[in-house]
Amino acid sequence: QSVLTQPPSVSGAPGQRVTISCTGSSSNIGAGYDVHWYQQLPGTAPKLLIYGNDNRPSGVPDRFSGSKSGTSASLAITGLQAADEADYYCQSYDSSLSGSWVFGGGTKLTVL
Amino acid sequence: EVQLVESGGGLIQPGGSLRLSCAASVFTVSSNYMSWVRQAPGKGLEWVSLIYPGGSTYYADSVKGRFTISRDNSKNTLYLQMNSLRAEDTAVYYCARVLPRPSDHFDYWGQGTLVTVSS
Repeated sequence: QSVLTQPPSVSGAPGQRVTISCTGSSSNIGAGYDVHWYQQLPGTAPKLLIYGNDNRPSGVPDRFSGSKSGTSASLAITGLQAADEADYYCQSYDSSLSGSWVFGGGTKLTVL
Repeated sequence: EVQLVESGGGLIQPGGSLRLSCAASVFTVSSNYMSWVRQAPGKGLEWVSLIYPGGSTYYADSVKGRFTISRDNSKNTLYLQMNSLRAEDTAVYYCARVLPRPSDHFDYWGQGTLVTVSS
């Protein structure tokens, strides 16, 4: 059971907009810690997609955007493309017990 | 171009030990926050360990007391010494650089090395 909760799967047709949620608690997202997002294409290492809730690293298209509110965060992908089919993970810091860096369980995006 | 190259994975019996290496290029390992993250087959990402530039180390509860993160400044390499390995440690292990601002996130990842714990 992951500390950050994501839907196991989402899907959308090419050109559509999809969102992936990431729900935490008062010891992580709700405590003010930033949320970051990673994209993992099949058979490859994760890649940083969004950092600091809503910032894109150089080279990431503006079709990808992030937001955070309260104890949750969201990743939005507009103009869906076949190449976007991947697993997406949110990540934050959790201050409970000894503290640790935590990931969501991951969301599989299928482009129909 | 920043590169992280892991090595040292393989098949190991339960109770055995293994040391993973992560060679970095372009940036200095000792000046950066560095981490190990693993992914069991068909599962999600799990943070394992992190080392600060000052040398402070942190571990997930699942590996505390069994794994040790370290670095060799002369070789610009990060290590993960894994002892008392269990079947549940089977995973692809990634090393990653951690940027502390605006808050800790993993900006560069290696390609991963597979560790299989089985008799």
